[in-house]
Amino acid sequence: GNSVTQMEGPVTLSEEAFLTINCTYTATGYPSLFWYVQYPGEGLQLLLKATKADDKGSNKGFEATYRKETTSFHLEKGSVQVSDSAVYFCALPRGNNAGNMLTFGGGTRLMVKP
Amino acid sequence: DTGVSQNPRHKITKRGQNVTFRCDPISEHNRLYWYRQTLGQGPEFLTYFQNEAQLEKSRLLSDRFSAERPKGSFSTLEIQRTEQGDSAMYLCASSLGASGGATSREQFFGPGTRLTVL
Repeated sequence: GNSVTQMEGPVTLSEEAFLTINCTYTATGYPSLFWYVQYPGEGLQLLLKATKADDKGSNKGFEATYRKETTSFHLEKGSVQVSDSAVYFCALPRGNNAGNMLTFGGGTRLMVKP
Repeated sequence: DTGVSQNPRHKITKRGQNVTFRCDPISEHNRLYWYRQTLGQGPEFLTYFQNEAQLEKSRLLSDRFSAERPKGSFSTLEIQRTEQGDSAMYLCASSLGASGGATSREQFFGPGTRLTVL
């Protein structure tokens, strides 16, 4: 089945710093790719997605580009805020499944200091 | 609030006891998923319903686990004879499903039920 690997955390940055969280995947075909975010004490929220190669997903200042050449979907933000402190998960469908069940990376904890 | 809700939010139990969790999905969503998340890890798929039919179960779902969605609305996840290794966050998600194959339908997650087995 499909799998995803993301950089381990924690990542500690100062406010307004540039953020990159690496995510690479192994997949059959070209499935949709997702970034989810989990704020403390809350459930996962979809942050952004890309449905085909070369697509760029973006939301709340975060961006990620679906790069099939490097099988990557790295998450970036130009200027992080304290409120971005959370755990970020890269995900994709488990395989060619009609149910669209997801497989997730291990998560990367981001801590932003004022 | 029209999001996914889960109850209870926290459950502490002794080894060997049975526990049951409930998930109420977004009302028009016909797909419902259960995932398990252990500390420091990403969620792992457990099982999936389309309406009331349980269409897939992960190998993680041992015979001590059972899930139901009797009327195609809320779902319950029961763990019998709990073990310390069952301690985790149990997440429920729901989505719209498209007939005819895989799509990139967004899954909306609930806040989870944190289970601690002593």
